[in-house]
Amino acid sequence: DGGITQSPKYLFRKEGQNVTLSCEQNLNHDAMYWYRQDPGQGLRLIYYSQIVNDFQKGDIAEGYSVSREKKESFPLTVTSAQKNPTAFYLCASVMGQGNTGELFFGEGSRLTVL
Amino acid sequence: GNSVTQMEGPVTLSEEAFLTINCTYTATGYPSLFWYVQYPGEGLQLLLKATKADDKGSNKGFEATYRKETTSFHLEKGSVQVSDSAVYFCALRGHNDYKLSFGAGTTVTVRA
Repeated sequence: DGGITQSPKYLFRKEGQNVTLSCEQNLNHDAMYWYRQDPGQGLRLIYYSQIVNDFQKGDIAEGYSVSREKKESFPLTVTSAQKNPTAFYLCASVMGQGNTGELFFGEGSRLTVL
Repeated sequence: GNSVTQMEGPVTLSEEAFLTINCTYTATGYPSLFWYVQYPGEGLQLLLKATKADDKGSNKGFEATYRKETTSFHLEKGSVQVSDSAVYFCALRGHNDYKLSFGAGTTVTVRA
């Protein structure tokens, strides 16, 4: 079945450590996204990528980094510079340009900083 | 820029009650509008969508109509079930825009 796979589902990190969240899709989608969700809040865009080897900052990119070396993969690194990294992280993808396409989401990764 | 404002929760209902969640938007041009649902501990699932004015999206008994004159996309269901307990997000995707803008989400709890 086609879909988006995020891993790990749960991750614990000590302060000062970098962690990388994986996102893989087999939908042949062009664009991929990372969102952050905090309790009681909506989703905030961290980074997005429209094509391989290209990505743009979203609204809250500080303290995060991404890469897009393959169409299927869009990993997110939460660096030690991110001051409040405990959150639920959602990866999404969409077919291509055009405003009718909905985003497909993974199941999410919950990061907790100890 | 584009933005979405949706009714604050939480909303608590009894089974078979009528549900309405208000959603209004600000955007230039002709955006597409979406309702997503999130069950506890899971990602978001598309519930329904509408891509042009006066379109009605529907799924699983839920409906929403794209009203350009009032810039609204209110979600309704005539008779809710306990299994409808979730967080509901209204979202907008601008014309030729890769990004999706979300409302803050509305938590709905349905009691038996």
